[in-house]
Amino acid sequence: DAKTTQPTSMDCAEGRAANLPCNHSTISGNEYVYWYRQIHSQGPQYIIHGLKNNETNEMASLIITEDRKSSTLILPHATLRDTAVYYCIVREHAGGTSYGKLTFGQGTILTVHP
Amino acid sequence: ETGVTQTPRHLVMGMTNKKSLKCEQHLGHNAMYWYKQSAKKPLELMFVYNFKEQTENNSVPSRFSPECPNSSHLFLHLHTLQPEDSALYLCASSQGLVVNEQFFGPGTRLTVL
Repeated sequence: DAKTTQPTSMDCAEGRAANLPCNHSTISGNEYVYWYRQIHSQGPQYIIHGLKNNETNEMASLIITEDRKSSTLILPHATLRDTAVYYCIVREHAGGTSYGKLTFGQGTILTVHP
Repeated sequence: ETGVTQTPRHLVMGMTNKKSLKCEQHLGHNAMYWYKQSAKKPLELMFVYNFKEQTENNSVPSRFSPECPNSSHLFLHLHTLQPEDSALYLCASSQGLVVNEQFFGPGTRLTVL
C-alpha cells in the first residue's frame, strides 16, 4: 500500500468546518483513499472513501486533487463529539492482493474546542 | 454500537496465564479480523478469517492462537504472553473481504504483568 502523510494534530472550533489534509504522493491508479476515525476508547469507524472524484456522505466530504497526490477530509460543522484520531489510508480495491487489509498510520489528532 | 461485541473489555494476566478474548458480530458478515493497537504505534493487522478459514497471518507469534468456529464468532487464545504484548486488541468484521467498510468492536484492553 502507498504511504500517507498527515499532520500530527489539528484544532477546530465547534461549529466550524474541519479540513484534514493527507498526502499520498505515491498512490497508484487502482488505489483508493479511505478515511477512518477513532474516538478515544473505541474501535475505528469508517467515514468515507474515494478514487478520484469528490465524495460526500452524511458524515463528511472527501476532496481529492486532480493528480490524486493529496486529499482533504472535510467535516462541515464540527462538534465536540468529532474529537478523535483521523486516519487517511490508501488501499487497493476489488481484485487487489490487499483485499481486506487496512494499513493504519499515526493519523491526525483532531481536537474540537467549544 | 457497531454490531461487533468484544469480551472482556479489560483483562490483566500474568505471563504464565492462559486466557481467551472473544469477539461476536451480529451483522451477518463472513469476514473477521484481529488487530493490535499498542501505545504510540499504529493499528496492526494480526489475522484475517473469511468463511471460518484463515486467509492471513501477519507474522504473529505463536503465543497468539486464533480460532473461528463460525462466521459470527472469533477468539484469540493467549498463552505465555510478554509484557510488551500489552495493548488494545480490536476485532472487526466485514461482508466479504473486498469491501469498503470494516466494522470494529470496542476492543479488549490487555495488560500483561
